Amino acid sequence: GAVVSQHPSRVICKSGTSVKIECRSLDFQATTMFWYRQFPKQSLMLMATSNEGSKATYEQGVEKDKFLINHASLTLSTLTVTSAHPEDSSFYICSALGGRWETQYFGPGTRLLVL
Amino acid sequence: KQEVTQIPAALSVPEGENLVLNCSFTDSAIYNLQWFRQDPGKGLTSLLLIQSSQREQTSGRLNASLDKSSGRSTLYIAASQPGDSATYLCAEGGATNKLIFGTGTLLAVQP
Repeated sequence: GAVVSQHPSRVICKSGTSVKIECRSLDFQATTMFWYRQFPKQSLMLMATSNEGSKATYEQGVEKDKFLINHASLTLSTLTVTSAHPEDSSFYICSALGGRWETQYFGPGTRLLVL
Repeated sequence: KQEVTQIPAALSVPEGENLVLNCSFTDSAIYNLQWFRQDPGKGLTSLLLIQSSQREQTSGRLNASLDKSSGRSTLYIAASQPGDSATYLCAEGGATNKLIFGTGTLLAVQP
C-alpha cells in the first residue's frame, strides 16, 4: 500500500513553454502533498506544501507565480512550471502524507529538461 | 535555521564490511528522523523511520539510532553488499510534517 505515482517520468520542453507534472496517491487519500526539487548531486529541497482545497504554502525563495500548484482532489496534486527556462531543469519529486504515523510517501520523480 | 548535515559525503568500502553513516541535525524538537536510499536518477526508498520517542529501529542488515540530546542519528549497515551502493539521505521531520533533508552520503561498495 501507500503508492504514489508521478506523470510524466521525464519531459523535455522548449524554453518559454509550460509543463504540468501530476502527483497521485494511488491507494490512499492525502489532504497534504509536498513538492521537492533536486539539482544534480544535491539533496532534496522543499518547494511547497500542497493542501487539498486551499492554496499551497511556498518555501522562501520559491516563486508561487512560476510554480503553480493545484490540489483539487484528495488523490491528485499538480505542479505547473510556467514559462520554463533552462535553469528550471531539475528532478521534481512529490510526496503524499498518509498512513498511521502520518509519514510522507514519495513518488518516483519527474526529470525536467528545458532546452 | 534548521540544518541537517551528513558525514561523510562519500564513502567507498569493500564488500562485507560493516559501516556507519552519520547524520546531524540542529532542531532538538524533531518529531521523527527518517533514512532514505536513492539510486541514481530515481526516487526515494524509505529505509527506517524513528519516532522522537524511540532510540533505534532495525530492518534486516540496517540499524538506525537516534540521540535527540546530541542531535545525531546513525545508520549502521552490516555486511555491506555491492547492491547497497546508492546515496543515503537522512531527513528530519517536524511538527508541520515537513521534512528537511540532509546533504547525503554517496556509498560505493566494491565487489
